[in-house]
Amino acid sequence: SQELEQSPQSLIVQEGKNLTINCTSSKTLYGLYWYKQKYGEGLIFLMMLQKGGEEKSHEKITAKLDEKKQQSSLHITASQPSHAGIYLCGADNSGGSNYKLTFGKGTLLTVNP
Amino acid sequence: DAGVTQSPTHLIKTRGQQVTLRCSPKSGHDTVSWYQQALGQGPQFIFQYYEEEERQRGNFPDRFSGHQFPNYSSELNVNALLLGDSALYLCASSLAGRQILGYTFGSGTRLTVV
Repeated sequence: SQELEQSPQSLIVQEGKNLTINCTSSKTLYGLYWYKQKYGEGLIFLMMLQKGGEEKSHEKITAKLDEKKQQSSLHITASQPSHAGIYLCGADNSGGSNYKLTFGKGTLLTVNP
Repeated sequence: DAGVTQSPTHLIKTRGQQVTLRCSPKSGHDTVSWYQQALGQGPQFIFQYYEEEERQRGNFPDRFSGHQFPNYSSELNVNALLLGDSALYLCASSLAGRQILGYTFGSGTRLTVV
């Protein structure tokens, strides 16, 4: 099974609608990173969550970390076509001794105008 | 402020050949990580370089090797290419001890092995 599960795998929404993407880790989370990727391109850093209960926002995107559930959610309010892309969560599962991120498979978001 | 620069952007190689990919980190960053992203998958960690040494390695064979130069730039070398090595190779830079600031990724090198 995957160390980091993202759901849903894909999502199609109408412009203006709200949506949520979830990321669940099978291991202890020491840090959780959210990235956005346009098809075949590099990853754009959105935000990083480190502490349980932490919530961060950037423009219309909000991410929360539930340390006990080892889960993070990414919420987009009033979606726009510019939000379309692949959203990836990356986990630091080993704390300070670890230097790698383990990524989920991503969630493909399509926003229809 | 230049971000992470990777070259080349696209590459086509034949099975059995060797390839070198290059990465210049974001200004001010001293650590470089390499990831392999197959189609439809999330990036997989290959290794990380800091102070010109490999600091951690993922589950990749010895055919994958790297180097970091004094100016923090890095190379990824893959020997004896296999068809399965076809992927997007991403370089990410960061500042040691400041992972909370995030890892900055380049646009990647698309490697096709035929």
